[in-house]
Amino acid sequence: RKEVEQDPGPFNVPEGATVAFNCTYSNSASQSFFWYRQDCRKEPKLLMSVYSSGNEDGRFTAQLNRASQYISLLIRDSKLSDSATYLCVVNPGRDSNYQLIWGAGTKLIIKP
Amino acid sequence: DGGITQSPKYLFRKEGQNVTLSCEQNLNHDAMYWYRQDPGQGLRLIYYSQIVNDFQKGDIAEGYSVSREKKESFPLTVTSAQKNPTAFYLCASTKDRGTYNEQFFGPGTRLTVL
Repeated sequence: RKEVEQDPGPFNVPEGATVAFNCTYSNSASQSFFWYRQDCRKEPKLLMSVYSSGNEDGRFTAQLNRASQYISLLIRDSKLSDSATYLCVVNPGRDSNYQLIWGAGTKLIIKP
Repeated sequence: DGGITQSPKYLFRKEGQNVTLSCEQNLNHDAMYWYRQDPGQGLRLIYYSQIVNDFQKGDIAEGYSVSREKKESFPLTVTSAQKNPTAFYLCASTKDRGTYNEQFFGPGTRLTVL
């Protein structure tokens, strides 16, 4: 089992719709979680940090379910500019010497 | 503006040659990292350094070497021993070592072996 798993997609979504994707992680000791956004041939950029049960920033909501070991990202009122790959990242803490574990990403395509 | 710079943006190498990728940060961050990204895959950690003059191997260190002589600089050398070096290389940094802080990235270097 991969340490961090994501559905690779692509998710094809019409502009204005709501889209959600999940990420599961295997290390129950993980303490912090992130969603990064990566545009084609660019570096990843931090979208949201998820330190407790969840976090909301405008149209974006991230939720953490520790019991089931998954985090989710919800995007409301999607824009064309939201098209990107979304990377789920987990920090298991001391178990990994605080190194981040990266999912392979979920590709999102917003269509007009 | 504070940030992380990587150079060059594109690099072409002949088989059997060593090449060095530059990474500089002016964020006064303690920890720095090198990742490799291949199409359709997550980032894989090559090396990381939490303090000057110290670094540790990541998951795929074979065929790579690093140095950390200054806090702001963490160059990566891709040696001829790396069997499949064509990839997108990303440098990152974190404010404090040994924490749950997020990482920030440079723009990357795309290496192609001819």
